[in-house]
Amino acid sequence: DVKVTQSSRYLVKRTGEKVFLECVQDMDHENMFWYRQDPGLGLRLIYFSYDVKMKEKGDIPEGYSVSREKKERFSLILESASTNQTSMYLCASVRTGRMARSNQPQHFGDGTRLSIL
Amino acid sequence: KQEVTQIPAALSVPEGENLVLNCSFTDSAIYNLQWFRQDPGKGLTSLLLIQSSQREQTSGRLNASLDKSSGRSTLYIAASQPGDSATYLCAVRPLEDSNYQLIWGAGTKLIIKP
Repeated sequence: DVKVTQSSRYLVKRTGEKVFLECVQDMDHENMFWYRQDPGLGLRLIYFSYDVKMKEKGDIPEGYSVSREKKERFSLILESASTNQTSMYLCASVRTGRMARSNQPQHFGDGTRLSIL
Repeated sequence: KQEVTQIPAALSVPEGENLVLNCSFTDSAIYNLQWFRQDPGKGLTSLLLIQSSQREQTSGRLNASLDKSSGRSTLYIAASQPGDSATYLCAVRPLEDSNYQLIWGAGTKLIIKP
């Protein structure tokens, strides 16, 4: 089974802090995604990556950056945390390489509930 | 622009009933449609993926159908159990997408009463 691991289930930080959320997948998946989930707004894509050192902005990238130095790890960075970034953050990965079938589901971690005080 | 809608936002039914969750999308040009389950405070678990060429997929008590022409999908849950209580989300992968991105519905929160 695919395992997507997010480093923290719950995190409390202060306004202005630099915050790192880590995500690791163990199935050599090419694409990885960071979402945030808020009541009434559903899942919104922040950033995704289709290869090492490659990244693309999603729908709401403002205030965030990402890092993918190794294929298995995708980090989300809040450069200067603000209270409106309090949310549930979800990481996902999917296999997309030449040997993969074109239809593959995304696999999710358990999420990090981040509170910015 | 593709939009995905799930109605109702919440549903409460007695244990043992068969039920249907609805998902609609505005653009029929899709690779696939996926149904996920989310337990409170947790991540998402993939339930069923229907390719654009398929009409339905089954897994245990779950059956998902796809009607691309009308932009509709349903998730049928047979003989519901309290353990089925969760939020169910559907998502479509647009045909023009090359990065496996998904367009998400807001979900239906399902409560099965014992």
